[in-house]
Amino acid sequence: GAGVSQSPSNKVTEKGKDVELRCDPISGHTALYWYRQSLGQGLEFLIYFQGNSAPDKSGLPSDRFSAERTGGSVSTLTIQRTQQEDSAVYLCASSPRQWVDTEAFFGQGTRLTVV
Amino acid sequence: GEDVEQSLFLSVREGDSSVINCTYTDSSSTYLYWYKQEPGAGLQLLTYIFSNMDMKQDQRLTVLLNKKDKHLSLRIADTQTGDSAIYFCAEIRFQKLVFGTGTRLLVSP
Repeated sequence: GAGVSQSPSNKVTEKGKDVELRCDPISGHTALYWYRQSLGQGLEFLIYFQGNSAPDKSGLPSDRFSAERTGGSVSTLTIQRTQQEDSAVYLCASSPRQWVDTEAFFGQGTRLTVV
Repeated sequence: GEDVEQSLFLSVREGDSSVINCTYTDSSSTYLYWYKQEPGAGLQLLTYIFSNMDMKQDQRLTVLLNKKDKHLSLRIADTQTGDSAIYFCAEIRFQKLVFGTGTRLLVSP
């Protein structure tokens, strides 16, 4: 597609269930980023991929959060045993290289609600 | 501190100029960015400035950079109702974008 695609756009889940959020970056973009935006908050960095490897996982809030990227393309963010504080909009971005001197293109986000 | 700081809210009348301010933290950040987020949408890059510049103008947008004070501003001339959105400044820190808290701009007719 022409842009970064995220699915689902909305997800409501029960506390304690696992969820998977998907990101399809722009074709050919090597860098992929996950951010979280909680209500009324700024954007919190979660994890960064260069190709299939994740040089920086420092933003993952707990070991319930994990992410992978396969084939240098699609990425999945998995949250296990979801908690109410996980409710947020999860944004994915991709860029051709790293941040410096390039534009990062963001998807529309997945709004996760844990009830 | 470690946070990129912005004022939370700005209200202007249509046709006025808007100035959104940002204080960043990393003096080594090569580029500084302004992103716009409209309701229910992702982030869109508005403009960026290279750290060796003081000013950048792009149509109705003017970015001013004061490296000494680590202060970045975005001026929107002739603000329109379609400019109503949340505006985020961002710096590069350890190869990732670090965003400010966002400024909600409300433009009234």
